[in-house]
Amino acid sequence: NAGVTQTPKFRILKIGQSMTLQCAQDMNHNYMYWYRQDPGMGLKLIYYSVGAGITDKGEVPNGYNVSRSTTEDFPLRLELAAPSQTSVYFCASIRGPSADTQYFGPGTRLTVL
Amino acid sequence: SQELEQSPQSLIVQEGKNLTINCTSSKTLYGLYWYKQKYGEGLIFLMMLQKGGEEKSHEKITAKLDEKKQQSSLHITASQPSHAGIYLCGAFANAGGTSYGKLTFGQGTILTVHP
Repeated sequence: NAGVTQTPKFRILKIGQSMTLQCAQDMNHNYMYWYRQDPGMGLKLIYYSVGAGITDKGEVPNGYNVSRSTTEDFPLRLELAAPSQTSVYFCASIRGPSADTQYFGPGTRLTVL
Repeated sequence: SQELEQSPQSLIVQEGKNLTINCTSSKTLYGLYWYKQKYGEGLIFLMMLQKGGEEKSHEKITAKLDEKKQQSSLHITASQPSHAGIYLCGAFANAGGTSYGKLTFGQGTILTVHP
């Protein structure tokens, strides 16, 4: 299994541009998550999904959108990028609430100038 | 909504010293996860606790979940420079109902170990 994969690894955007961060998992996990991590800080939940077609807002959803058309993929869309969205973005998946491990992708480092 | 509070926010210890990091919630914790992160890298899974009073150990790291399932502690015995990094606790908001599946994290504890 490849686990959780994220693309791209690095990206520089100009203010006002848009982009999609890709996330895929091959473990047939129903639960998927997007987090952002600012320097020296913890993880803030952006959006999450408990299954295909089901998404919900996390703690910091403003400026982002998600979709979950398949179990495997959970892309995160940034519209009108702002400097405040400069961060490292992690995608994660887990089998369910009683699962013993949440699997994380390697992260995408995004800079908005 | 559930908020996880970690303490301390940062910790500096001398090599060989013991230390404890706490993760506290005002609500019952369902599935408490501990992760470690080295600077600029991804997250490394340490342990998962689910039952009140549960305790798990891995090498020199021990994690406990209290009986009320509202606080977890992570204890490192005889710390080493390799233990340095950011420690994060995460937990599910609740066992069902609204926000089902929501998994949030504390703000992290930055650990520095001086040789």
